[in-house]
Amino acid sequence: AQSVTQLGSHVSVSEGALVLLRCNYSSSVPPYLFWYVQYPNQGLQLLLKYTTGATLVKGINGFEAEFKKSETSFHLTKPSAHMSDAAEYFCAVRFSGNTGKLIFGQGTTLQVKP
Amino acid sequence: DADVTQTPRNRITKTGKRIMLECSQTKGHDRMYWYRQDPGLGLRLIYYSFDVKDINKGEISDGYSVSRQAQAKFSLSLESAIPNQTALYFCATSDTGDGNIQYFGAGTRLSVL
Repeated sequence: AQSVTQLGSHVSVSEGALVLLRCNYSSSVPPYLFWYVQYPNQGLQLLLKYTTGATLVKGINGFEAEFKKSETSFHLTKPSAHMSDAAEYFCAVRFSGNTGKLIFGQGTTLQVKP
Repeated sequence: DADVTQTPRNRITKTGKRIMLECSQTKGHDRMYWYRQDPGLGLRLIYYSFDVKDINKGEISDGYSVSRQAQAKFSLSLESAIPNQTALYFCATSDTGDGNIQYFGAGTRLSVL
């Protein structure tokens, strides 16, 4: 079955520290990959996406993610966390043949400590 | 104004009541989706529609129905609400190009007592 797994439902970092949020998916065919962010009481906003081409993708707010086919992963990183990065982050995958449907991971809540 | 608007933003209802959640969009997209969000489960697809005459069940459609009244409007109904339908509901839209990025409304928080 097609699935998306985010390792760690809660991640806590200090302000200025590296942010690493993990996402793995189940597929041998490269899918389309997305990271969304949800701030409190808001809908989801697209951070970045991978469809084809360069495997290192840069998004908004200093975030980036790298598609690694051999590891079926699409981990999200940011070199230096800001307090404003505190939110819930969702990895989503459009698997080949799914004609536009996204499958979401369980979400990771990022806490940023002063 | 928001591109994807959901009404109401909050709703409290009682078990057995029929309730409708509405979604409208100004993005001109053909594709629309309804999801529910539960803590620890991420977003799960309830129904989706690729055009006005197209309605498809998602992974958790039982207890829900939808209506695509126009390209811009997609409503979700709970025919007889039950407490385990208490959740945050999101509408989303997408175009066929640009990697099929989905754009989300602000959500409707529904409580079924």
